[in-house]
Amino acid sequence: AQTVTQSQPEMSVQEAETVTLSCTYDTSESDYYLFWYKQPPSRQMILVIRQEAYKQQNATENRFSVNFQKAAKSFSLKISDSQLGDAAMYFCAYRSARGRDDKIIFGKGTRLHILP
Amino acid sequence: NAGVTQTPKFQVLKTGQSMTLQCAQDMNHEYMSWYRQDPGMGLRLIHYSVGAGITDQGEVPNGYNVSRSTTEDFPLRLLSAAPSQTSVYFCASSYSKPGYYGYTFGSGTRLTVV
Repeated sequence: AQTVTQSQPEMSVQEAETVTLSCTYDTSESDYYLFWYKQPPSRQMILVIRQEAYKQQNATENRFSVNFQKAAKSFSLKISDSQLGDAAMYFCAYRSARGRDDKIIFGKGTRLHILP
Repeated sequence: NAGVTQTPKFQVLKTGQSMTLQCAQDMNHEYMSWYRQDPGMGLRLIHYSVGAGITDQGEVPNGYNVSRSTTEDFPLRLLSAAPSQTSVYFCASSYSKPGYYGYTFGSGTRLTVV
């Protein structure tokens, strides 16, 4: 069974600095998708960025980018120029590309604090 | 606005009571699921459905029941509430193919069982 591990329960970063959140996963499959979700205090789950495993190029969305290392099964999220609105719980997630009933598996989350 | 609608947003139940959490989506998503979120545990899958008439169990299905009579609706029933079911519940939906898509989430239901 696939697993997703986020080894940092909490992190803090100074406003305007860069922070990297770590995520590792375990799978025997070669084709899958990886996601980072953000959950602010409002509780709403927001998709931040996604990566297709067959693409070598790292995904980027404005200030958010990933470092996808397929061989190492690592999928870290980099947030540049951190803003107060980035304070949230961040979840790393995995979804197999095998078939239609494949579920998204979440890590336990990293709570990110932004220091003014 | 298109999206996933969950009701209610908050609920307090007494032990042994039953209730249904409602979930509806208007995006014609085939795939719908229910997660519970507990501190330090991330999101754990309760039940999911890949289409009308098809449901299956996730990681923590005990004490919950689901059905999927239409594409749009996927209610979650608590049969006899227990304090261990105190949690935040999320409904989520997505296209099932090609699997690239992440989920669209509802806004969650905070359930307290006393």
